[in-house]
Amino acid sequence: AQSVSQHNHHVILSEAASLELGCNYSYGGTVNLFWYVQYPGQHLQLLLKYFSGDPLVKGIKGFEAEFIKSKFSFNLRKPSVQWSDTAEYFCAVNAGAFSGNTGKLIFGQGTTLQVKP
Amino acid sequence: SQTIHQWPATLVQPVGSPLSLECTVEGTSNPNLYWYRQAAGRGLQLLFYSVGIGQISSEVPQNLSASRPQDRQFILSSKKLLLSDSGFYLCAWRVGGADYGYTFGSGTRLTVV
Repeated sequence: AQSVSQHNHHVILSEAASLELGCNYSYGGTVNLFWYVQYPGQHLQLLLKYFSGDPLVKGIKGFEAEFIKSKFSFNLRKPSVQWSDTAEYFCAVNAGAFSGNTGKLIFGQGTTLQVKP
Repeated sequence: SQTIHQWPATLVQPVGSPLSLECTVEGTSNPNLYWYRQAAGRGLQLLFYSVGIGQISSEVPQNLSASRPQDRQFILSSKKLLLSDSGFYLCAWRVGGADYGYTFGSGTRLTVV
């Protein structure tokens, strides 16, 4: 069965520190990869996504992620975090993207990021 | 424009009572629809999905059921709630085409007491 694993459950950083959140998935075929963010009291919203092409994907608010197929990873990065980045971050995978799939998104457990001012 | 409505926003229900959460989509036709649950400390778990009217696929065995009586309506139900049904329930729909984008509703916080 497909699964997504986020290694860091709770991360605490000071402002201006660099961020990297790990995400690994288990599926040997074609995948679409996503990072979602949920700010306190707000909807889940898309940060960035990878479908094909350049494995380094840039998203909103200065976030980026790199797809490394050989490692089944899609880690999220930001060079310098801000207090407003405090939120919960979810990695998600849509497997079998080109096989008439049903569009199911499989989520990781989530990582809570706390940025101290 | 395409929007998704989910209600109610919060709900407190006693154990053994029935449940009905509704999700409707506007601005599109024949969307794929999904119900997710976010339990405390556990991330997002896919409960049900539907690719068309009357079609429901269940991802995990549980006390809940889903129905899709109309193209843009997706309902999550239970005949008798359990304490373990507490959580945050999210409806989502998938934008068709090559983008494979997903849009999430605002969610329902269910507390079973």
